[in-house]
Amino acid sequence: GQNIDQPTEMTATEGAIVQINCTYQTSGFNGLFWYQQHAGEAPTFLSYNVLDGLEEKGRFSSFLSRSKGYSYLLLKELQMKDSASYLCALMDSNYQLIWGAGTKLIIKP
Amino acid sequence: GAVVSQHPSWVICKSGTSVKIECRSLDFQATTMFWYRQFPKQSLMLMATSNEGSKATYEQGVEKDKFLINHASLTLSTLTVTSAHPEDSSFYICSARAQQSTDFYEQYFGPGTRLTVT
Repeated sequence: GQNIDQPTEMTATEGAIVQINCTYQTSGFNGLFWYQQHAGEAPTFLSYNVLDGLEEKGRFSSFLSRSKGYSYLLLKELQMKDSASYLCALMDSNYQLIWGAGTKLIIKP
Repeated sequence: GAVVSQHPSWVICKSGTSVKIECRSLDFQATTMFWYRQFPKQSLMLMATSNEGSKATYEQGVEKDKFLINHASLTLSTLTVTSAHPEDSSFYICSARAQQSTDFYEQYFGPGTRLTVT
């Protein structure tokens, strides 16, 4: 089976950097996604990693280590609008997404 | 980018009635559409996967006779919640996977439908 773990909640300061970790166990792997979800809204795509290493997209970066079953999402120069839940999702051998419970990120001024 | 719409965005219905939710891919053809349910402060739970022209595949624990899914075309899927009860109140989200191979792995989400059953 599959299992995904990420912290329930994190707090960070506007302008700072925050790293949200995600660990997983799976028998089949076709990539790892990060999504952002504001309260009452649908998730929006942030990143996709299928190979080891760091993918950078502006203020957001995502890292993957397949051997360690580990990924993180790095957010730089935090803005108040970054307050949201961040969902780690694993694509399994059937190309279905298995979702983590999400990390609620609270940004303080 | 690819756009997915859902209608209605919110609906309130009485217990025992049925509600239909539409999911449309506006500018691409979706080979596969997914229906999710999300309860407050919880993650997305996949309800079913539907491929155009074939029967939907339901996840364990999801009643296929209660949650009817029709995927009649490459741009439209519908979810009908039959004989709704208050415990069906939730945020229902659809997503679509594009037909083009370069976007094969990415799912595009609709804005969601908030269902409240009184």
